[in-house]
Amino acid sequence: QQPVQSPQAVILREGEDAVINCSSSKALYSVHWYRQKHGEAPVFLMILLKGGEQKGHDKISASFNEKKQQSSLYLTASQLSYSGTYFCGTVIQGAQKLVFGQGTRLTINP
Amino acid sequence: GAVVSQHPSWVICKSGTSVKIECRSLDFQATTMFWYRQFPKQSLMLMATSNEGSKATYEQGVEKDKFLINHASLTLSTLTVTSAHPEDSSFYICSAEPTKGFEKTQYFGPGTRLLVL
Repeated sequence: QQPVQSPQAVILREGEDAVINCSSSKALYSVHWYRQKHGEAPVFLMILLKGGEQKGHDKISASFNEKKQQSSLYLTASQLSYSGTYFCGTVIQGAQKLVFGQGTRLTINP
Repeated sequence: GAVVSQHPSWVICKSGTSVKIECRSLDFQATTMFWYRQFPKQSLMLMATSNEGSKATYEQGVEKDKFLINHASLTLSTLTVTSAHPEDSSFYICSAEPTKGFEKTQYFGPGTRLLVL
């Protein structure tokens, strides 16, 4: 069951903030966030586990609302290097597999 | 830490030939590795899950006889695309889940671009 990401694409100016959402119709055990730059493989950003939690490093953070089966990725004071496609991956409770959303393309302009 | 390599990074081959792609976890052991396929501007589609010492588990719609997977050691998995055709052209990415890892985190290799002429 593929999670749904929104928005599909975002265009920002450097320094602006962005929020990317990931939602599932199934109860989630964990949510994983990755960033993929064009022509490259995805890079792991962070994982959030059931029980609800928030995490962050530098100006990128995320939250996991277990009850709503949603996670949000927050990028504050965006930098040019933040450009890329962000994927959330979800593991459903009782399942073994990580399933990726369709991705959110983030473009940061100077 | 958690580095995964893939080789080759680019392959161009003629239709009907077979292509082997290697995926290695360089600084950790991975009992489980995954093979994905990605078309331009699309998400990662899981093709198969590779477990060391056992047969791979293929996703629905993926031909096991066409995409042969071997996970011979805790650091190496290979994907062989047999009798490749132009429709097999894609970006193939492997990932590895550390054996002593945290909650199914996957680390991705740099990917292999396959072009079948």
